[in-house]
Amino acid sequence: GAGVSQSPRYKVAKRGQDVALRCDPISGHVSLFWYQQALGQGPEFLTYFQNEAQLDKSGLPSDRFFAERPEGSVSTLKIQRTQQEDSAVYLCASSTPASGGQFFGPGTRLTVL
Amino acid sequence: QKEVEQNSGPLSVPEGAIASLNCTYSDRGSQSFFWYRQYSGKSPELIMSIYSNGDKEDGRFTAQLNKASQYVSLLIRDSQPSDSATYLCALEGAAGNKLTFGGGTRVLVKP
Repeated sequence: GAGVSQSPRYKVAKRGQDVALRCDPISGHVSLFWYQQALGQGPEFLTYFQNEAQLDKSGLPSDRFFAERPEGSVSTLKIQRTQQEDSAVYLCASSTPASGGQFFGPGTRLTVL
Repeated sequence: QKEVEQNSGPLSVPEGAIASLNCTYSDRGSQSFFWYRQYSGKSPELIMSIYSNGDKEDGRFTAQLNKASQYVSLLIRDSQPSDSATYLCALEGAAGNKLTFGGGTRVLVKP
């Protein structure tokens, strides 16, 4: 079956612009996660949804970051007034209790100039 | 102290040898442990999960977990050049669900 998909794969933004990153999880996966990965480091947790409920947003680095999953399927991570330190790969993962782990999408590489 | 510690490497192994990767963690309440493989420029790929003390084998991969000593390891037997990648150790803590990752160990398998 289809895996997790993310779009766009690459995004270049000027400092101060708003961006929206989309994640389409594996069909039937109730849990959806967003992670941020800086070059040479492991992914860092941002936020977690179970269906449409955002159960944990403790990893969001500032109030410029906002995520939603209004119908319990597709999720959008929005970053307002982007800054250079937001440059990273943003990874989405999904899982279900029987899946045996989280499965990652290809990521969106965000570059803020 | 980081929550999940890995040697960054690179770990260089000859083709056909065993690669041994280690990971230590600080959260004693952690219940689930995972190894991900990440090729350069790609996203992490789940290769092993382990939940109880002992060994778990899957093909050329063996994961080992020792909760008392708070470490988890990954053995790659008969290493191939295609195994050259960064291997990420991850765990679900006592709070559940979100994964905490180590920084990864880069493995280079030389023909």
